[in-house]
Amino acid sequence: KQEVTQIPAALSVPEGENLVLNCSFTDSAIYNLQWFRQDPGKGLTSLLLIQSSQREQTSGRLNASLDKSSGRSTLYIAASQPGDSATYLCAVGGNQFYFGTGTSLTVIP
Amino acid sequence: DVKVTQSSRYLVKRTGEKVFLECVQDMDHENMFWYRQDPGLGLRLIYFSYDVKMKEKGDIPEGYSVSREKKERFSLILESASTNQTSMYLCASSSSRQGTTNEKLFFGSGTQLSVL
Repeated sequence: KQEVTQIPAALSVPEGENLVLNCSFTDSAIYNLQWFRQDPGKGLTSLLLIQSSQREQTSGRLNASLDKSSGRSTLYIAASQPGDSATYLCAVGGNQFYFGTGTSLTVIP
Repeated sequence: DVKVTQSSRYLVKRTGEKVFLECVQDMDHENMFWYRQDPGLGLRLIYFSYDVKMKEKGDIPEGYSVSREKKERFSLILESASTNQTSMYLCASSSSRQGTTNEKLFFGSGTQLSVL
């Protein structure tokens, strides 16, 4: 069974820093990988989808990369802002979707 | 934009009650999913459906059932609620045929269920 890990579980950075969130998975036979944002008590908002044939996707200050062979994805956030504070989850798509437990990000003004 | 609507944000029920959680999507998606989310355990798949009147068990179906009478609506039923079913319940739909590279999940805002 696919296992998805996100480390660290929590991260605090000062406003303006660039940061990287990590996602690793055990089975490289995936269709895609999706990054989500979740605010407290809310549902998940899709940020980026990387298909298995792609290496990266970008949206504004966000850049996600995928290395299937090593079982890793990273989400890069440039020039972080307090509004970026949330939990970030990755989900790996195969015969079903498998989720990590997320990284809780706090951006300190 | 895709909209996935869950009928309740918060619910409080008593043990033994039958509970219905409703989910509606407006983008004609074929695939719909129910997850529960618990601290430290992440999202776990309860049931999913790829078509009307079709359902498949996920990883934790015990104590739950589902209904999909119309394409846009997927209901989760707790036959006899128990305290260990206190959780955040998330409904999702996806945009493509299951298992394709561009299959993208869209989530509702969640229902926080408390069973007393």
